[in-house]
Amino acid sequence: AQSVSQHNHHVILSEAASLELGCNYSYGGTVNLFWYVQYPGQHLQLLLKYFSGDPLVKGIKGFEAEFIKSKFSFNLRKPSVQWSDTAEYFCAVRGAQRSGGGADGLTFGKGTHLIIQP
Amino acid sequence: DTGVSQDPRHKITKRGQNVTFRCDPISEHNRLYWYRQTLGQGPEFLTYFQNEAQLEKSRLLSDRFSAERPKGSFSTLEIQRTEQGDSAMYLCASSLATTAGGDFGSGTRLTVV
Repeated sequence: AQSVSQHNHHVILSEAASLELGCNYSYGGTVNLFWYVQYPGQHLQLLLKYFSGDPLVKGIKGFEAEFIKSKFSFNLRKPSVQWSDTAEYFCAVRGAQRSGGGADGLTFGKGTHLIIQP
Repeated sequence: DTGVSQDPRHKITKRGQNVTFRCDPISEHNRLYWYRQTLGQGPEFLTYFQNEAQLEKSRLLSDRFSAERPKGSFSTLEIQRTEQGDSAMYLCASSLATTAGGDFGSGTRLTVV
């Protein structure tokens, strides 16, 4: 079974600070990896995803994530955060079948609550 | 606004009652997922459909839970004989079979009193 660990439950930063949110997963095979964001009062939105290829993935709103297979990690980064980045961030994993498809639902981490102070 | 619609947004029910939630996915999406999210946790996968076929169910989905997607479009999730432990946000997501992850709805918040 797969699992996801997000190291920090709460992070507080000042505007313009750099951000890195940790995510480690446990799964023995090929994985698809995701970061979702949930702004206050809104639904989950996909920030970025990794399937294969370049391990550095760029997403929306200036976010990026790097897949490091040897460390089973998929950390989320942003060089300069804004007050509007205040939200809950979820890392998720899905085991990818050899067919290239993937029928399983996502396994999510517990989330990191990010607060950006103006 | 999200393309996945869930109804109702909130439901308060007494313990032992049955409840049913509805999800309308993005129209061209043939996969539909149900998740449950409790306070301080990430969403937990419950079940998913490809068209009208229910292809996978989590062990979290007890016998009191049933989901349907009769015509491969909208889906319903029914919880029978609700318990206080069923209080949670129930999320629906949809996707194409060729993609993954999915677009999420705003959820139905269930409170069992």
